[in-house]
Amino acid sequence: SQQGEEDPQALSIQEGENATMNCSYKTSINNLQWYRQNSGRGLVHLILIRSNEREKHSGRLRVTLDTSKKSSSLLITASRAADTASYFCAREPNTGNQFYFGTGTSLTVIP
Amino acid sequence: GAGVSQSPSNKVTEKGKDVELRCDPISGHTALYWYRQSLGQGLEFLIYFQGNSAPDKSGLPSDRFSAERTGGSVSTLTIQRTQQEDSAVYLCASSFKGFGELFFGEGSRLTVL
Repeated sequence: SQQGEEDPQALSIQEGENATMNCSYKTSINNLQWYRQNSGRGLVHLILIRSNEREKHSGRLRVTLDTSKKSSSLLITASRAADTASYFCAREPNTGNQFYFGTGTSLTVIP
Repeated sequence: GAGVSQSPSNKVTEKGKDVELRCDPISGHTALYWYRQSLGQGLEFLIYFQGNSAPDKSGLPSDRFSAERTGGSVSTLTIQRTQQEDSAVYLCASSFKGFGELFFGEGSRLTVL
């Protein structure tokens, strides 16, 4: 499978703490993206990191990419209850047309 | 339109019936994707359209599934002779020329009784 893995599957933290979720993949990529999905809704794009980038920031989000280990991490700092959602990484491979999504990390931020 | 629009938002059907799900992508977006998401699961790729190129149908799970995109805009996903295992949320996404971020619709929740 080219889908890879995300871990943890579920994460529960207190408001104000940082949340880290990881994504591993198996094939070479053009870019990797992180998406958020609130319950019963569509996915919303958070951040894109290209294969030649190692780190990217957007507000309270920090994404890292290690192409040698074929892994990425998403860090949400100073979490808020409103960050409660599922988070997915999507990998755009070098070949082919589709984006591969993992099974996601379900984040619960407790107020 | 302002965003990707999908209809119906909810569909309950009986086993064996055909269903059609519609996706209206963002104006100007040439790439359109269909994904399926089962309860608590990740997204399963179904089909990809890019401009006038032949669609990538490699993710369609069986020949009961088909999709078309008319005039490079609206897409319809058709499931024939629905089965209970087809129950899922069907998500449509579009992007500009197949690069960068995907813009998702809210999905069509299909329940097959």
